[in-house]
Amino acid sequence: QKEVEQNSGPLSVPEGAIASLNCTYSDRVSQSFFWYRQYSGKSPELIMSIYSNGDKEDGRFTAQLNKASQYVSLLIRDSQPSDSATYLCAVRKGGGADGLTFGKGTHLIIQP
Amino acid sequence: GAVVSQHPSWVICKSGTSVKIECRSLDFQATTMFWYRQFPKQSLMLMATSNEGSKATYEQGVEKDKFLINHASLTLSTLTVTSAHPEDSSFYICSARDLARGGTDTQYFGPGTRLTVL
Repeated sequence: QKEVEQNSGPLSVPEGAIASLNCTYSDRVSQSFFWYRQYSGKSPELIMSIYSNGDKEDGRFTAQLNKASQYVSLLIRDSQPSDSATYLCAVRKGGGADGLTFGKGTHLIIQP
Repeated sequence: GAVVSQHPSWVICKSGTSVKIECRSLDFQATTMFWYRQFPKQSLMLMATSNEGSKATYEQGVEKDKFLINHASLTLSTLTVTSAHPEDSSFYICSARDLARGGTDTQYFGPGTRLTVL
């Protein structure tokens, strides 16, 4: 079983709609969860971090965490063409000194 | 703030040669830096954790004698790919943890180094 799983897509969403990205993880001891955006040929950039169950909102982005279901999601409201990218879900088992385990990413396409 | 740089941004080398990649935290001190590798259409894979002043911790399956890591200061970590072969061609990305923000665990990523071994 892969440690962090994401649907690779592509996920196509009309401009202005809500994009919903999902991620599941296998290790129950995981403590920290992150969503990164990666454009082709570039390194990842952090969008959201979430550490406790529930929702966390930042602008057009909302991260949701359900540790019981081992599930993390990212909602992007009012999707823009510039949101088209690969979205990587990352999980950390322990504290800040631990590295991240990434999923393969979901390729999101926002259609104008 | 929290800017991480890498040098070079891309490098082409012949098989059998060694290549050094630098990762610098420009505006903060980083006791811990991480090295990742990303093959085409794959996700980032953690290679090793680099701690200032001590030996790096390598992930399972990563050859420590092939991928030499040195973290000599709080702002610089280097990755040397020794005796590179075409299968080492990849996108190498470092990240750094901000010491001053020790209460958080955000990693700031460098722009990456694309290595091509001929």
